[in-house]
Amino acid sequence: NAGVMQNPRHLVRRRGQEARLRCSPMKGHSHVYWYRQLPEEGLKFMVYLQKENIIDESGMPKERFSAEFPKEGPSILRIQQVVRGDSAAYFCASSPMGIEQYFGPGTRLTVT
Amino acid sequence: GESVGLHLPTLSVQEGDNSIINCAYSNSASDYFIWYKQESGKGPQFIIDIRSNMDKRQGQRVTVLLNKTVKHLSLQIAATQPGDSAVYFCAEKIIQGAQKLVFGQGTRLTINP
Repeated sequence: NAGVMQNPRHLVRRRGQEARLRCSPMKGHSHVYWYRQLPEEGLKFMVYLQKENIIDESGMPKERFSAEFPKEGPSILRIQQVVRGDSAAYFCASSPMGIEQYFGPGTRLTVT
Repeated sequence: GESVGLHLPTLSVQEGDNSIINCAYSNSASDYFIWYKQESGKGPQFIIDIRSNMDKRQGQRVTVLLNKTVKHLSLQIAATQPGDSAVYFCAEKIIQGAQKLVFGQGTRLTINP
């Protein structure tokens, strides 16, 4: 059973461009979470989704950030008009029942 | 509690010794706790979890202790090996509440040969 998959692993964007980060949960997992991590810090919750539904987006910035988990395909975290402060590692986690969470390898976003 | 962006606390131990990593959690209503190990450039790796109806749980070479009175969690690693070098995070949540994990600050464990 493959683990949580994320791509790309590294993403470089210029200021003002869009970033799309993808997450494929573990097989059989219907709960997906996105977290952001700055260097030397713990992970900060962004959004929690189940298939086709956003359950909790209390950690998402109000502008430029959006997330989806369609019926078919991976979950997508989208950042529009990126700024330097968006540079971070973004981790996706999945869960079968909404209790324990298993993390992917992350996408490291660099905004130049 | 939440990470506040400070340099990570560091723990250095000799190879073969036991390591104890501590964590103070923030929410007295939290009833589920997880320890994660994060190696450089990788995602957090699940180590062990514990629910609030327990005060101790053992895994392979690891033991988690929970003291709800003082909101304290510890991870004990027996016979530390070079492969244990990583940053260790505790995380908390409320099982019947919000689904998000709240991560602690993290501790960098360094193994001396």
